[in-house]
Amino acid sequence: KAGVTQTPRYLIKTRGQQVTLSCSPISGHRSVSWYQQTPGQGLQFLFEYFSETQRNKGNFPGRFSGRQFSNSRSEMNVSTLELGDSALYLCASSLGGLAGLQETQYFGPGTRLLVL
Amino acid sequence: AQSVTQLGSHVSVSEGALVLLRCNYSSSVPPYLFWYVQYPNQGLQLLLKYTSAATLVKGINGFEAEFKKSETSFHLTKPSAHMSDAAEYFCAVSEAGTASKLTFGTGTRLQVTL
Repeated sequence: KAGVTQTPRYLIKTRGQQVTLSCSPISGHRSVSWYQQTPGQGLQFLFEYFSETQRNKGNFPGRFSGRQFSNSRSEMNVSTLELGDSALYLCASSLGGLAGLQETQYFGPGTRLLVL
Repeated sequence: AQSVTQLGSHVSVSEGALVLLRCNYSSSVPPYLFWYVQYPNQGLQLLLKYTSAATLVKGINGFEAEFKKSETSFHLTKPSAHMSDAAEYFCAVSEAGTASKLTFGTGTRLQVTL
């Protein structure tokens, strides 16, 4: 079974631009979560999508948004990029079962975004 | 809010020595705890997880962790370190009912020397 894939793997943008990152979950997984990893703040939860709906949200500004398609693929968008948005963006997928059931999240290799 | 604290941002051990990476959690409800490993330029790989079934949890690559409620700890151990264990290790906690929202510790970089 193929793992979580993320595209592109590397991206360079300039301040003020916007960017879209893509994540394809493991086949059969319906939940996709996004995390930002930076040296200063570590790993931080951005949001989770399940069945095309945002189910959980972290503490990030509205410039960070996402969506999920009917095939469970997810995209994350960052508008008006700032230097501080430079980070490794990780996507994770899980089955997305009933609340309270602890499932394993499987992570993709990440997209490394550099904002100049 | 739940949180985890990893003591020691860098740990260095000799090959063949015991690996001990520390994690303490803070939670008002029974936590679900995880250890992930990250190799350079890669994503996170799950080593093991605790979901209250057993206090001693065995994971991949010879790692295990013991949940100690009295100490609010979930330390990761491996009896004998291998060079391939050099990586960054993250302890994480998830809230009951929000399995897809993990709160991570700051990470511990493990160095293995000859």
